[in-house]
Amino acid sequence: QSALTQPASVSGSPGQSITISCTGTSSDVGAYNYVSWYQQHPGKAPKLIMYDVSNRPSGVSDRFSGSQSGNTASLTISGLQTEDEGDYYCSSFTSSRHVVFGGGTNLTVL
Amino acid sequence: QVQLQESGPGLVKPSQTLSLTCTVSGGSISSASYFWSWIRQPAGKGLEWIGRIHSTGSTSYNPSLKSRVTISGDTSKNQFSLKMNSVTAEDTAMYYCARGVVYYYANWGQGTLVTVSS
Repeated sequence: QSALTQPASVSGSPGQSITISCTGTSSDVGAYNYVSWYQQHPGKAPKLIMYDVSNRPSGVSDRFSGSQSGNTASLTISGLQTEDEGDYYCSSFTSSRHVVFGGGTNLTVL
Repeated sequence: QVQLQESGPGLVKPSQTLSLTCTVSGGSISSASYFWSWIRQPAGKGLEWIGRIHSTGSTSYNPSLKSRVTISGDTSKNQFSLKMNSVTAEDTAMYYCARGVVYYYANWGQGTLVTVSS
């Protein structure tokens, strides 16, 4: 199984919105609505911020939203804040009943 | 709130077996509602799913690692473990244990760094 494709980096200014894409195949992202997103700050464990494409766990800001179209899922962060800086990883269930992660995207808030 | 804590040697020699344990508190690995997984992350790189185990004992592994990996559970100690044999420098990484449903993980351990070196 190949890693899902994410942009290596994105940036935005405080208050702006950014979108991170996550592209897979018809055997993973496109096969189910089982894409999740994780936020990771330096030296910390990943934190789940989105599951089942567009569902936020309790306590996650509604500035985070998710969507999916075909083999590509997207995470949008609106009203960027400096605390949003970090790495973001998408993940998908696969037709082989495994889990595959994206390569990660580093978000810089300028 | 469930907590997970990884433990094990921080240094493993090439060709030897990496063994890690995840101790779970605040939740039971016997729960049929969850899957218990191992995920790793080489320094400066992305996450890689290693595999998972369910309370039924059912396991699933990353195809690229399957031949070298075994995940097992010990309900008496509320722990689950990872064994990876024939390690090389490419297995040097932060190793995380995590709890979740079959396809996402809401609870993670803090991670344990394993270095493969002679």
